Amino acid sequence: DTGVSQNPRHKITKRGQNVTFRCDPISEHNRLYWYRQTLGQGPEFLTYFQNEAQLEKSRLLSDRFSAERPKGSFSTLEIQRTEQGDSAMYLCASSLGQGFYNEQFFGPGTRLTVL
Amino acid sequence: GQQVMQIPQYQHVQEGEDFTTYCNSSTTLSNIQWYKQRPGGHPVFLIQLVKSGEVKKQKRLTFQFGEAKKNSSLHITATQTTDVGTYFCAGGAGGTSYGKLTFGQGTILTVHP
Repeated sequence: DTGVSQNPRHKITKRGQNVTFRCDPISEHNRLYWYRQTLGQGPEFLTYFQNEAQLEKSRLLSDRFSAERPKGSFSTLEIQRTEQGDSAMYLCASSLGQGFYNEQFFGPGTRLTVL
Repeated sequence: GQQVMQIPQYQHVQEGEDFTTYCNSSTTLSNIQWYKQRPGGHPVFLIQLVKSGEVKKQKRLTFQFGEAKKNSSLHITATQTTDVGTYFCAGGAGGTSYGKLTFGQGTILTVHP
């Protein structure tokens, strides 16, 4: 399978715990994006990388969220001191980033439940 | 910040009827993309529009980008049960926010056979 993969697919945690999610993009894609989606809403932009550089981070994102893409390949999203409001589907997407064309390929997501 | 609104929130049609969803941005967009998300699935790219007034067709789907690059529409002719899902528009801001997409809240399409 050469699509975007995410692990784990489901995560249940207790409030206050830290969680980390991993995203493996399509191998030749230089751009990687993280989104959060709650029921009945569209994906909400969190951050994106071009290669290993984090180019933009949503102002809505608290300091408890951090993302890395150390070698410009896979990426991790960490949430510290989770809160019940963090419960959502966390989606990763990647794109080739050729000029103006920016088709994003989404992974299956990681569903986070904070108890 | 940029906001993207979509209407209607829900649309129920009989198979064979047409369907249209509309997207409006609070700011001028560099481009707009459309995605489809099936129940339990992830968003899947349909198309990207870049030029003012652009119209693109994919079989029964017609996409338009407004002259002012602030609105867009998706029209499906003669819906089929396979069209069921949520349709999202996503606006690209351009400039230093080139990679960032702002999604609308989506239109949920139900098709009754």
